[in-house]
Amino acid sequence: DIQMTQSPSSLSASVGDRVTITCRASQGISNSLAWYQQKPGKAPKLLLYAASRLESGVPSRFSGSGSGTDYTLTISSLQPEDFATYYCQQYYSTNTFGQGTKLEIK
Amino acid sequence: EVQLLESGGGLVQPGGSLRLSCAASGFTFSSYAMSWVRQAPGKGLEWVSAISGSGGSTYYADSVKGRFTISRDNSKNTLYLQMNSLRAEDTAVYYCAKSGPGDILTGYPFGYWGQGTLVTVSS
Repeated sequence: DIQMTQSPSSLSASVGDRVTITCRASQGISNSLAWYQQKPGKAPKLLLYAASRLESGVPSRFSGSGSGTDYTLTISSLQPEDFATYYCQQYYSTNTFGQGTKLEIK
Repeated sequence: EVQLLESGGGLVQPGGSLRLSCAASGFTFSSYAMSWVRQAPGKGLEWVSAISGSGGSTYYADSVKGRFTISRDNSKNTLYLQMNSLRAEDTAVYYCAKSGPGDILTGYPFGYWGQGTLVTVSS
Protein backbone atom coordinates (compact mmCIF):
# COMPACT_ATOMS: atom_id res chain seq x y z
CA ASP A 1 0.00 0.00 0.00
CA ILE A 2 1.10 3.55 -0.71
CA GLN A 3 1.67 5.68 2.39
CA MET A 4 1.22 9.45 2.37
CA THR A 5 3.24 11.63 4.76
CA GLN A 6 1.87 15.15 5.10
CA SER A 7 3.61 18.04 6.83
CA PRO A 8 3.34 20.04 8.91
CA SER A 9 0.57 18.58 11.05
CA SER A 10 -0.38 22.07 12.17
CA LEU A 11 0.44 25.57 11.05
CA SER A 12 -0.28 29.03 12.45
CA ALA A 13 -0.48 31.89 9.98
CA SER A 14 -2.01 35.32 9.49
CA VAL A 15 -4.43 36.68 6.92
CA GLY A 16 -2.44 37.61 3.84
CA ASP A 17 0.36 35.10 4.48
CA ARG A 18 1.60 32.63 1.89
CA VAL A 19 1.57 29.07 3.19
CA THR A 20 2.78 25.77 1.83
CA ILE A 21 1.81 22.25 2.82
CA THR A 22 3.73 19.23 1.58
CA CYS A 23 2.84 15.63 0.94
CA ARG A 24 5.25 12.79 0.23
CA ALA A 25 4.21 9.42 -1.18
CA SER A 26 6.05 6.21 -0.34
CA GLN A 27 6.36 5.53 -4.07
CA GLY A 28 5.74 7.42 -7.28
CA ILE A 29 2.10 8.28 -7.91
CA SER A 30 2.30 9.94 -11.34
CA ASN A 31 0.57 13.16 -10.26
CA SER A 32 -2.51 11.21 -9.05
CA LEU A 33 -2.75 13.56 -6.10
CA ALA A 34 -5.69 15.56 -4.79
CA TRP A 35 -6.01 18.19 -2.06
CA TYR A 36 -9.10 18.65 0.11
CA GLN A 37 -10.22 21.32 2.56
CA GLN A 38 -12.33 20.37 5.55
CA LYS A 39 -14.03 22.67 8.01
CA PRO A 40 -15.36 21.48 11.38
CA GLY A 41 -18.52 19.41 11.10
CA LYS A 42 -18.44 19.48 7.31
CA ALA A 43 -17.51 17.02 4.57
CA PRO A 44 -14.18 17.48 2.79
CA LYS A 45 -14.19 19.67 -0.31
CA LEU A 46 -12.04 18.92 -3.35
CA LEU A 47 -9.66 21.80 -4.12
CA LEU A 48 -7.18 20.41 -6.63
CA TYR A 49 -6.65 17.16 -8.52
CA ALA A 50 -3.97 15.76 -10.81
CA ALA A 51 -1.53 17.58 -8.52
CA SER A 52 -2.11 21.01 -10.02
CA ARG A 53 -5.57 21.24 -11.60
CA LEU A 54 -7.95 23.57 -9.82
CA GLU A 55 -11.45 22.23 -9.20
CA SER A 56 -14.20 24.40 -10.64
CA GLY A 57 -15.14 27.28 -8.35
CA VAL A 58 -12.00 27.10 -6.21
CA PRO A 59 -10.20 30.46 -5.85
CA SER A 60 -6.99 30.89 -7.81
CA ARG A 61 -5.01 31.65 -4.64
CA PHE A 62 -4.88 27.86 -4.23
CA SER A 63 -2.26 26.10 -6.33
CA GLY A 64 -0.55 22.76 -6.42
CA SER A 65 2.70 21.42 -7.76
CA GLY A 66 4.98 18.44 -7.64
CA SER A 67 5.83 15.19 -9.34
CA GLY A 68 6.96 11.70 -8.56
CA THR A 69 6.66 11.34 -4.80
CA ASP A 70 6.68 14.98 -3.60
CA TYR A 71 3.79 17.42 -3.85
CA THR A 72 2.85 20.81 -2.42
CA LEU A 73 -0.28 22.87 -1.83
CA THR A 74 0.26 26.62 -1.73
CA ILE A 75 -2.19 29.28 -0.64
CA SER A 76 -0.81 32.55 -1.97
CA SER A 77 -2.62 35.01 0.32
CA LEU A 78 -4.58 33.54 3.20
CA GLN A 79 -8.17 34.65 3.60
CA PRO A 80 -10.23 34.24 6.79
CA GLU A 81 -12.28 31.45 5.21
CA ASP A 82 -9.12 29.41 4.48
CA PHE A 83 -8.52 28.46 8.10
CA ALA A 84 -9.38 24.77 8.05
CA THR A 85 -7.78 21.33 7.86
CA TYR A 86 -6.21 20.22 4.59
CA TYR A 87 -5.66 16.66 3.38
CA CYS A 88 -3.78 15.21 0.48
CA GLN A 89 -4.94 11.99 -1.18
CA GLN A 90 -3.26 9.67 -3.63
CA TYR A 91 -5.56 7.87 -6.03
CA TYR A 92 -2.90 6.13 -8.09
CA SER A 93 -3.42 2.82 -6.32
CA THR A 94 -6.71 2.56 -4.44
CA ASN A 95 -6.79 5.56 -2.11
CA THR A 96 -4.71 6.88 0.78
CA PHE A 97 -5.03 10.16 2.64
CA GLY A 98 -2.34 12.13 4.38
CA GLN A 99 -2.68 12.75 8.12
CA GLY A 100 -3.96 16.29 7.64
CA THR A 101 -2.67 19.81 8.29
CA LYS A 102 -4.64 22.06 10.61
CA LEU A 103 -4.24 25.67 9.53
CA GLU A 104 -4.93 28.03 12.41
CA ILE A 105 -5.03 31.78 12.81
CA LYS A 106 -1.92 33.27 14.41
CA GLU B 1 -26.95 19.19 -8.76
CA VAL B 2 -25.17 16.17 -7.34
CA GLN B 3 -26.49 15.15 -3.94
CA LEU B 4 -25.41 12.30 -1.68
CA LEU B 5 -27.38 11.60 1.47
CA GLU B 6 -26.16 9.03 3.98
CA SER B 7 -28.35 7.33 6.57
CA GLY B 8 -28.33 4.36 8.91
CA GLY B 9 -25.79 5.42 11.48
CA GLY B 10 -26.33 5.03 15.19
CA LEU B 11 -25.17 3.37 18.38
CA VAL B 12 -24.32 -0.33 18.20
CA GLN B 13 -22.65 -2.72 20.62
CA PRO B 14 -19.28 -4.30 19.88
CA GLY B 15 -19.78 -7.35 17.70
CA GLY B 16 -22.98 -5.95 16.27
CA SER B 17 -24.01 -5.05 12.75
CA LEU B 18 -25.25 -1.98 10.95
CA ARG B 19 -26.10 -1.13 7.34
CA LEU B 20 -25.43 2.33 5.98
CA SER B 21 -27.17 3.73 2.91
CA CYS B 22 -26.27 6.58 0.58
CA ALA B 23 -29.01 7.93 -1.69
CA ALA B 24 -27.62 9.59 -4.80
CA SER B 25 -29.21 12.08 -7.17
CA GLY B 26 -28.22 14.59 -9.83
CA PHE B 27 -26.08 12.26 -11.92
CA THR B 28 -26.24 8.91 -13.70
CA PHE B 29 -25.49 6.78 -10.64
CA SER B 30 -24.73 3.54 -12.48
CA SER B 31 -22.01 5.28 -14.51
CA TYR B 32 -19.77 6.09 -11.56
CA ALA B 33 -17.68 4.25 -9.03
CA MET B 34 -18.46 5.10 -5.42
CA SER B 35 -16.53 4.90 -2.17
CA TRP B 36 -17.01 5.01 1.57
CA VAL B 37 -14.57 7.12 3.61
CA ARG B 38 -14.63 7.38 7.39
CA GLN B 39 -13.30 9.79 9.99
CA ALA B 40 -12.91 8.84 13.62
CA PRO B 41 -13.64 11.63 16.11
CA GLY B 42 -10.84 14.19 15.99
CA LYS B 43 -8.87 12.11 13.49
CA GLY B 44 -8.07 12.14 9.78
CA LEU B 45 -9.75 10.61 6.76
CA GLU B 46 -9.55 6.88 6.06
CA TRP B 47 -10.74 5.33 2.81
CA VAL B 48 -12.84 2.23 3.59
CA SER B 49 -14.18 0.65 0.41
CA ALA B 50 -14.94 1.22 -3.26
CA ILE B 51 -17.32 -0.27 -5.80
CA SER B 52 -17.41 0.02 -9.57
CA GLY B 53 -20.33 1.53 -11.45
CA SER B 54 -21.75 -1.84 -12.38
CA GLY B 55 -21.12 -3.26 -8.92
CA GLY B 56 -18.99 -6.02 -10.37
CA SER B 57 -15.76 -4.96 -8.70
CA THR B 58 -15.14 -4.05 -5.10
CA TYR B 59 -12.14 -3.17 -2.94
CA TYR B 60 -11.61 -2.85 0.79
CA ALA B 61 -9.12 -1.38 3.21
CA ASP B 62 -7.31 -4.06 5.21
CA SER B 63 -8.86 -2.69 8.39
CA VAL B 64 -12.37 -3.74 7.30
CA LYS B 65 -11.75 -6.62 4.91
CA GLY B 66 -13.87 -9.63 5.80
CA ARG B 67 -16.18 -7.60 8.05
CA PHE B 68 -17.66 -4.93 5.76
CA THR B 69 -19.44 -5.42 2.43
CA ILE B 70 -20.05 -2.65 -0.07
CA SER B 71 -22.89 -2.98 -2.56
CA ARG B 72 -25.15 -0.84 -4.71
CA ASP B 73 -28.62 -0.93 -6.21
CA ASN B 74 -28.46 1.04 -9.42
CA SER B 75 -32.24 0.81 -9.88
CA LYS B 76 -32.62 2.72 -6.60
CA ASN B 77 -29.57 4.99 -7.02
CA THR B 78 -28.37 3.82 -3.63
CA LEU B 79 -25.01 2.74 -2.23
CA TYR B 80 -24.74 0.50 0.84
CA LEU B 81 -22.19 -0.52 3.42
CA GLN B 82 -22.99 -3.60 5.49
CA MET B 83 -20.85 -3.54 8.62
CA ASN B 84 -20.53 -6.70 10.70
CA SER B 85 -18.42 -7.65 13.73
CA LEU B 86 -18.14 -3.99 14.65
CA ARG B 87 -15.34 -2.84 16.93
CA ALA B 88 -14.82 0.28 19.01
CA GLU B 89 -12.23 1.45 16.48
CA ASP B 90 -14.94 1.52 13.78
CA THR B 91 -16.52 4.50 15.55
CA ALA B 92 -16.49 7.31 13.00
CA VAL B 93 -18.45 9.54 10.69
CA TYR B 94 -18.94 7.59 7.47
CA TYR B 95 -19.08 9.53 4.21
CA CYS B 96 -20.06 8.27 0.79
CA ALA B 97 -18.16 9.85 -2.08
CA LYS B 98 -18.53 9.92 -5.85
CA SER B 99 -15.48 8.86 -7.77
CA GLY B 100 -14.71 8.42 -11.45
CA PRO B 101 -16.67 7.08 -14.39
CA GLY B 102 -17.28 3.49 -15.29
CA ASP B 103 -15.88 0.38 -13.76
CA ILE B 104 -12.52 1.80 -12.70
CA LEU B 105 -12.02 1.57 -8.95
CA THR B 106 -9.11 3.95 -8.75
CA GLY B 107 -7.62 6.81 -10.71
CA TYR B 108 -10.02 9.57 -9.76
CA PRO B 109 -10.42 11.91 -6.79
CA PHE B 110 -13.64 12.31 -4.83
CA GLY B 111 -15.45 15.24 -6.37
CA TYR B 112 -18.61 14.99 -4.28
CA TRP B 113 -19.23 13.90 -0.71
CA GLY B 114 -22.30 13.34 1.41
CA GLN B 115 -22.76 15.04 4.78
CA GLY B 116 -21.83 11.87 6.69
CA THR B 117 -23.52 9.59 9.19
CA LEU B 118 -22.12 8.84 12.65
CA VAL B 119 -21.54 5.27 13.75
CA THR B 120 -20.75 4.74 17.43
CA VAL B 121 -19.63 1.31 18.60
CA SER B 122 -19.89 1.09 22.36
CA SER B 123 -21.38 -1.03 25.10
